[in-house]
Amino acid sequence: QKEVEQDPGPLSVPEGAIVSLNCTYSNSAFQYFMWYRQYSRKGPELLMYTYSSGNKEDGRFTAQVDKSSKYISLFIRDSQPSDSATYLCAMNGNNRLAFGKGNQVVVIP
Amino acid sequence: DVKVTQSSRYLVKRTGEKVFLECVQDMDHENMFWYRQDPGLGLRLIYFSYDVKMKEKGDIPEGYSVSREKKERFSLILESASTNQTSMYLCASSLTSADTQYFGPGTRLTVL
Repeated sequence: QKEVEQDPGPLSVPEGAIVSLNCTYSNSAFQYFMWYRQYSRKGPELLMYTYSSGNKEDGRFTAQVDKSSKYISLFIRDSQPSDSATYLCAMNGNNRLAFGKGNQVVVIP
Repeated sequence: DVKVTQSSRYLVKRTGEKVFLECVQDMDHENMFWYRQDPGLGLRLIYFSYDVKMKEKGDIPEGYSVSREKKERFSLILESASTNQTSMYLCASSLTSADTQYFGPGTRLTVL
């Protein structure tokens, strides 16, 4: 079993819809959880960072962590065409980051 | 803001050539990383360095070497480029090995 599982998609949604992205993980040692956004032909940029179970909001973005289920989520409210990108989850706990494969999101105007 | 820069955005090389990819960070980070990113395979760690002149193999080090002579600079070397090394190469840095990583813009390398 891979350390981090992320459904690669792609996911197409109409503008204004809620986007829901998920990752599951197997390593209980993971303590810190991140979401990166990567536009086409660019490097990943940090979008959200959290270290505890529960929700963290930043504008239209909400990161959710459920450590008991080993499950993290990213929600994007009122999605915009500019949100079209690949979203990667990442987590660490063993002095190395483990990444999901990324989930491509397309927001259709 | 952390800035990680990579020497080239696009590079085309021939099979057998020696290739140097350079990465520079400006935040005095201890740790630097080289990844390659391929469709369907995600990010795969090639090498990382936690201090000057120190290096550790990642998950796919074969065919690559690295050099870190100065804290801010981390180089990836392909001793003899092969077509299966055609990929997007991403450099990253972080304050500690468990910390958030900040990525450069990437180098898209094509080996013909």
